[in-house]
Amino acid sequence: DAKTTQPNSMESNEEEPVHLPCNHSTISGTDYIHWYRQLPSQGPEYVIHGLTSNVNNRMASLAIAEDRKSSTLILHRATLRDAAVYYCTEKSGAGSYQLTFGKGTKLSVIP
Amino acid sequence: GAGVSQSPSNKVTEKGKDVELRCDPISGHTALYWYRQSLGQGLEFLIYFQGNSAPDKSGLPSDRFSAERTGGSVSTLTIQRTQQEDSAVYLCASSPARGANEKLFFGSGTQLSVL
Repeated sequence: DAKTTQPNSMESNEEEPVHLPCNHSTISGTDYIHWYRQLPSQGPEYVIHGLTSNVNNRMASLAIAEDRKSSTLILHRATLRDAAVYYCTEKSGAGSYQLTFGKGTKLSVIP
Repeated sequence: GAGVSQSPSNKVTEKGKDVELRCDPISGHTALYWYRQSLGQGLEFLIYFQGNSAPDKSGLPSDRFSAERTGGSVSTLTIQRTQQEDSAVYLCASSPARGANEKLFFGSGTQLSVL
């Protein structure tokens, strides 16, 4: 069963920032928070990941709550190419290090 | 360099037939995962290979499902006596190493349709 909770869908205007929330209230201390996105008819694509500190890369920023029970993926300026399903996942810090996916948030970008 | 390659991209089969799905991971990646994605759903973990260690088969839904990874590279997922509920996209991913800090690289998947 998925350990993360995300809204089913969100909308954003093009060129505007987007904040995608995720709850992971049962995350353990060694599990990383990973975000992936999936465009239609493609496999998921890595976006960003982190453990405790906020993270930035060329695609997005990841803000992690101090208690680690939630995180927010931030797209600074949404483009039409950012329309996808965004998955917030936990990557186990032990065992098979598998990613556990929920149903994700479908992001629509309005021109 | 080449990404994760899966073949075939589409497979249509009749109920009761066996199918084999192939995954070529990124060269040098030691970890390999299989996931299944049913229509409109999230990804369901199936199996994990890491180097020469015994695979983690905890996600396989029934004994009709099996997977091999030969020589630490190519992997084959086999579904015996396919059922209509097996229809889904089967995704393979690889990772440079084991660890919670390692990101996964996914292939484009095999769309399996069981008639």
